[in-house]
Amino acid sequence: DAGITQSPRYKITETGRQVTLMCHQTWSHSYMFWYRQDLGHGLRLIYYSAAADITDKGEVPDGYVVSRSKTENFPLTLESATRSQTSVYFCASAAGPHEQYFGPGTRLTVT
Amino acid sequence: AQSVAQPEDQVNVAEGNPLTVKCTYSVSGNPYLFWYVQYPNRGLQFLLKYITGDNLVKGSYGFEAEFNKSQTSFHLKKPSALVSDSALYFCAVHPGGAAGNKLTFGGGTRVLVKP
Repeated sequence: DAGITQSPRYKITETGRQVTLMCHQTWSHSYMFWYRQDLGHGLRLIYYSAAADITDKGEVPDGYVVSRSKTENFPLTLESATRSQTSVYFCASAAGPHEQYFGPGTRLTVT
Repeated sequence: AQSVAQPEDQVNVAEGNPLTVKCTYSVSGNPYLFWYVQYPNRGLQFLLKYITGDNLVKGSYGFEAEFNKSQTSFHLKKPSALVSDSALYFCAVHPGGAAGNKLTFGGGTRVLVKP
């Protein structure tokens, strides 16, 4: 199916563990983004990518790592999860400097 | 640096009444402006955008927004609200031109439409 998907949709992990959130889009959009959504903070950009093998930091990158070896995939890794990283994570993609299309989100709980 | 303000955390409106969700922005140049809607447990959905041209833009689900450069505003409007319009609404701004593709989002406004 065309679109943007995220997996898993829900994840519970323990403090200190590494966890990877997956994002896949079928539109061949150049741009991809990772946001986190927290109550009282709205949406905050973690990392973004303008093309395969090109990534850059957003507003809140600490504790996260991204890679983009293929245009369609943009995984987000929490190297050592902390409770402050409990959040809802959204991936998005865009063809250019216009509207972004969002995935359904991953609800991550760090215990 | 660019910023977006949505001054109301929540807007309550009766079904059938007009709905307005306010957004003001601060960015140099000629910005691109967007509205998104988020339903519970869902991702953000694109509603409409202003890039250039007519200041009144129409979007999905009967929504429209008016770009006002002098007031740096981009308020979202719907003439007759439905209960199904109850959701979280986000305004976003892009600085325009060849400035990458990062959007800055407002904090969101929760809309509650009562029957």
